[in-house]
Order: sequence, then C-alpha cells, then structure tokens
Amino acid sequence: AQKITQTQPGMFVQEKEAVTLDCTYDTSDPSYGLFWYKQPSSGEMIFLIYQGSYDQQNATEGRYSLNFQKARKSANLVISASQLGDSAMYFCAMRVNNDMRFGAGTRLTVKP
Amino acid sequence: GAVVSQHPSWVICKSGTSVKIECRSLDFQATTMFWYRQFPKQSLMLMATSNEGSKATYEQGVEKDKFLINHASLTLSTLTVTSAHPEDSSFYICSAWDRGRQPQHFGDGTRLSIL
Repeated sequence: AQKITQTQPGMFVQEKEAVTLDCTYDTSDPSYGLFWYKQPSSGEMIFLIYQGSYDQQNATEGRYSLNFQKARKSANLVISASQLGDSAMYFCAMRVNNDMRFGAGTRLTVKP
Repeated sequence: GAVVSQHPSWVICKSGTSVKIECRSLDFQATTMFWYRQFPKQSLMLMATSNEGSKATYEQGVEKDKFLINHASLTLSTLTVTSAHPEDSSFYICSAWDRGRQPQHFGDGTRLSIL
C-alpha cells in the first residue's frame, strides 16, 4: 500500500524569502508520479509541479522546484521568492498506476 | 483555462433530496475519473475511481448505494448523492486523467450543504 506524509500542518514565511514544504512517501512500486497542488480558500486544486520516479533531474516550474531524493523517499517543494498570493494549502500527492493519494496538507502563510 | 468543468459549484437542499454533480473534461478524453470528498481543514479522500463504460471502484467505507457514480462517456462522469442527509454535507471534487498525460486535472469542486 502506498502512503504519503506531510508533517508540517502550518508554515510561515516572510514575503520574498524561500520556503520548503516537506513530503515523504512510501511505495513498493518502482513506477510512480509525485505531484504538488495548491488549494486556495476558494477550493480549487491548482497543479504546481510533477516529478516522475524515473526522472533524473529535479522538476522546476518557475518559482517552484521539487527536491526529489529517491533514496530517502522525499519530494519536498521549494517555493522561491514567496509572494502574498502563495498563502494557501499545499498538498503533496503520489500516483501509482491508476490510484492517486494525497498527504494531509500544509497551510502556508506568507507574511508581508 | 479550465480543462475540467464541475457543476454545480454550490448546492443547498433539504434532507432526503438526491443531488447530482457533473464532471466534464473539456479538451481531452478522460480514461479515468476520480471523485474525492474533503472535510474542512482536511485532505482529499478518494471516494471512487471510474473508468468509461465500466462500474466504479469504491474505496472501503464508501457506500455504493449512497454515492452513485456514472461514467457514461470519455468526457462526462456524474456523482449522485442519494437521499442526502446533513452528514453528507461536504466539499466534493472530481478529477480527470488521460493515461499517459500529465497532470491529473481537477474540477473546481462542489460545496454541498444539506439542511
């Protein structure tokens, strides 16, 4: 069975600084995908970044980068130059075959 | 723009009513659609997975007769909450996936309130 864990219920960061949101996972399947989604208070799930288990390089999308450490089974999200609009819930997710599961989420608050 | 459309976005109805929620993939054919439920300040919990033309696979603890899922075409899945009661009040969100295409896209969700 697969498991995905986010241990930080809440995080604070100063505007313009970088922040790392932690995510660890567990699966016995060698093929899997790791995702990060942002959920603002309005509720929609906004896709941020994707990392495949066989990808050699860490994924990057603008201010988002995924620090993929396969041996440690971690897939941390790094947000650089935080903006006030980054305040939201952030969910890490893992898909194995046809099954996608989410972590508990981290609420990020960006301080002005 | 949105690639998955979910409708309605908000429903308030009386106890005992059945409520249908639609999920459409707009610019791709979704081989698989997923339905999630989210309680306030919690994560998304997978309710069921449906493949076009076949019966949905429900997660353990999800009542099949309460939450009817139909995936009639490659672009449309519906969730019907039958004889809804206040405890069914929640945020329901659908997701559509085309195998081999990343990422999995989500609808904007439906806030269901049963009085």
